[in-house]
Amino acid sequence: AQTVTQSQPEMSVQEAETVTLSCTYDTSESDYYLFWYKQPPSRQMILVIRQEAYKQQNATENRFSVNFQKAAKSFSLKISDSQLGDAAMYFCAYRGGATNKLIFGTGTLLAVQP
Amino acid sequence: DVKVTQSSRYLVKRTGEKVFLECVQDMDHENMFWYRQDPGLGLRLIYFSYDVKMKEKGDIPEGYSVSREKKERFSLILESASTNQTSMYLCASLASGGAWETQYFGPGTRLLVL
Repeated sequence: AQTVTQSQPEMSVQEAETVTLSCTYDTSESDYYLFWYKQPPSRQMILVIRQEAYKQQNATENRFSVNFQKAAKSFSLKISDSQLGDAAMYFCAYRGGATNKLIFGTGTLLAVQP
Repeated sequence: DVKVTQSSRYLVKRTGEKVFLECVQDMDHENMFWYRQDPGLGLRLIYFSYDVKMKEKGDIPEGYSVSREKKERFSLILESASTNQTSMYLCASLASGGAWETQYFGPGTRLLVL
């Protein structure tokens, strides 16, 4: 069975600095997708960034980028120039190519210090 | 933009009560999901539905049932609420366009069972 592990329950970063959130996963599938979701306090969870396993190039969305290491089964999220609005719970998620189901990690609560 | 709404943001119920949580999406998505979110456990899938009147058990279906009579509406039912069902419940919807598609989440219902 597939699993997703986020080993950092909480992280803190200074405004304008860079922070990296860790995620590792375990799978025997070759076709899969990885996602980072953001859940701000009392607000809806939204997609931050996603990566197809067959793509070697790391995904980037503005200040958000991933470091996808397929052999190591690692999918970390880098947030550059952190802003107060980045404070949220961040979830890493895995989806196999043949299923609609997502498997979530336990989340990392990110605090941004002014 | 996809909109997923949930009938209540906060709900307080008594042990043994029958509880209905409603979720509505406005994007004609085929797939809908119910998760519960608990600190340190992330999101766990309770049930999902891939079409009207179709449902599949997720990872933690015990104590829950679901109903999908119309495409846009997916209901979660707690037949006899218990205190260990106190949690945050999230609904999500997903188009059937392929594994690249992302799930869209509702704002969540925080349920307290006394």
